[in-house]
Amino acid sequence: GAGVSQTPSNKVTEKGKYVELRCDPISGHTALYWYRQSLGQGPEFLIYFQGTGAADDSGLPNDRFFAVRPEGSVSTLKIQRTERGDSAVYLCASSPTGSGIQYFGAGTRLSVL
Amino acid sequence: DAKTTQPPSMDCAEGRAANLPCNHSTISGNEYVYWYRQIHSQGPQYIIHGLKNNETNEMASLIITEDRKSSTLILPHATLRDTAVYYCIGPDSGNTGKLIFGQGTTLQVKP
Repeated sequence: GAGVSQTPSNKVTEKGKYVELRCDPISGHTALYWYRQSLGQGPEFLIYFQGTGAADDSGLPNDRFFAVRPEGSVSTLKIQRTERGDSAVYLCASSPTGSGIQYFGAGTRLSVL
Repeated sequence: DAKTTQPPSMDCAEGRAANLPCNHSTISGNEYVYWYRQIHSQGPQYIIHGLKNNETNEMASLIITEDRKSSTLILPHATLRDTAVYYCIGPDSGNTGKLIFGQGTTLQVKP
């Protein structure tokens, strides 16, 4: 079956612009996670959804970052007033129940010029 | 959150077993240890997890010491496609399932 899909695969933007990154989880998975991975580092947790609600957003670095999952399926990570330091690969993962077994997408590579 | 420690890199000859160690001395009695790997330019891939008994699946085996302070991931017959960064991950203390990745071990399988 289909895995986790993330679009776009690459996004280039200019400093100060707004971007949206999309994640389509595996059908039926109630849990959805966003992570960010900088070059040479392990992924870093950003936010966790259980259904439509953000159950843990402790990893969001500041209020420029926001994520939604309005119908409990597709999620969008939104970044306002992008900065060069936001350049990274943004990974999405889904899980049937919110456990440590997660299925990751290939990520969106964001480059802020 | 349980902290894990892994060597930064390891080499393995193709066809031989790859044994990847991990220390997780702060893990508590009912917390699982998870292993993931990340092949270049891909998202992380779940491999295996365990609590206190040894585990085996089609990808790997996981040996956990009796005191649960360390574990070893075993790839029984490494292939070139097993070249990746391997992450040993302790659980999130808030029970949300979020994964706290460290630096992992870069395994290079050589012909």
